[in-house]
Amino acid sequence: GEDVEQSLFLSVREGDSSVINCTYTDSSSTYLYWYKQEPGAGLQLLTYIFSNMDMKQDQRLTVLLNKKDKHLSLRIADTQTGDSAIYFCAESYLNSGNTPLVFGKGTRLSVIA
Amino acid sequence: NAGVTQTPKFQVLKTGQSMTLQCAQDMNHEYMSWYRQDPGMGLRLIHYSVGAGITDQGEVPNGYNVSRSTTEDFPLRLLSAAPSQTSVYFCASSYSRTGDYGYTFGSGTRLTVV
Repeated sequence: GEDVEQSLFLSVREGDSSVINCTYTDSSSTYLYWYKQEPGAGLQLLTYIFSNMDMKQDQRLTVLLNKKDKHLSLRIADTQTGDSAIYFCAESYLNSGNTPLVFGKGTRLSVIA
Repeated sequence: NAGVTQTPKFQVLKTGQSMTLQCAQDMNHEYMSWYRQDPGMGLRLIHYSVGAGITDQGEVPNGYNVSRSTTEDFPLRLLSAAPSQTSVYFCASSYSRTGDYGYTFGSGTRLTVV
């Protein structure tokens, strides 16, 4: 079945850039998403990219999509301690019928002051 | 405030007990879903609904029932609680299946089964 893979942990220093990577298996993906989960909270949509785009930028966030390699990344510029959270990659795909999004296991980002 | 409301926030059950986790949204979203989150497992889909009166199973439906009698409410019932159901449960709603406008998540119910 469809699968979304992420590394589980990332640690960066405050002020550096963070890059969180994600790979997916279904080539019929339509939208790909990044969600953020802070401790004790639900998931919050950060950004999403349509599958016919290569890049999307939104303030400190840059999403890159390599459709050939089925690779999605989220770059956070000037990472702050408030960016410490779990980041989930998710995809929707054409042939899934009514099935909701497929989520990766999440990458825990730790920002060191 | 508009959003997804889950109750209770915390619950401890004894093995074999039943209970209902409540989920309500006031955004007139057609699409609602239940996920469970376990350490190292990410989010796994339990059940979902594409509208009132329509529900379907997700990846891990065993031991759970749902119903959708109104657009606003999507309760999740645990029939006979087991320790394996200890988890954090999230309800989410969206305008569409693909969440083009984003899925809105509730703040979660932390369930412990002893």
